[in-house]
Amino acid sequence: DTAVSQTPKYLVTQMGNDKSIKCEQNLGHDTMYWYKQDSKKFLKIMFSYNNKELIINETVPNRFSPKSPDKAHLNLHINSLELGDSAVYFCASSPRVRNSPLHFGNGTRLTVT
Amino acid sequence: AQSVTQLDSQVPVFEEAPVELRCNYSSSVSVYLFWYVQYPNQGLQLLLKYLSGSTLVESINGFEAEFNKSQTSFHLRKPSVHISDTAEYFCAVSEDNNNDMRFGAGTRLTVKP
Repeated sequence: DTAVSQTPKYLVTQMGNDKSIKCEQNLGHDTMYWYKQDSKKFLKIMFSYNNKELIINETVPNRFSPKSPDKAHLNLHINSLELGDSAVYFCASSPRVRNSPLHFGNGTRLTVT
Repeated sequence: AQSVTQLDSQVPVFEEAPVELRCNYSSSVSVYLFWYVQYPNQGLQLLLKYLSGSTLVESINGFEAEFNKSQTSFHLRKPSVHISDTAEYFCAVSEDNNNDMRFGAGTRLTVKP
């Protein structure tokens, strides 16, 4: 059973398009995250939701909009894609306990051409 | 806010040699420390964690890390590495007063035969 699943695994699209990445977790966790990993493997937090409420919103262009329909899902919508958006996007989840580790999905490799 | 520095971006070693991957953190409050491993084309997996108690923590595959509060370090060690240990390793820290986990830039461990 996949604990944190993301779709799609690969996404190739052209500049200016709008795309979405979906994430679902079946661990019963309260908190979900989106991280961006660039070509140098640097991992940067983008958003965090707790029980559908936004709790972390780092300095991310407003072209990126997270949406959490329920606490098991956190989707990422990106408008007007740019070349610099090319990266691997990871969804993660954790219980709402401060010392809990994160459980990661396998990532979505986004390539903008 | 907390921050993490991984001092080595790449560490090449020969099989069966010992290895140390260095991690230093910065925080003004109590912290929880983690090491994650990322194999190619996969998400991050928890390797080990320090929450409290004994400052030496171990993983099931022979890695260990020691929390040193005075030096604000959490270095990862293994006495004898295998080819299968080749991966990217990330140190991470979360603070006692928030749910925000911050990652270091990663260290690429390459084990050569």
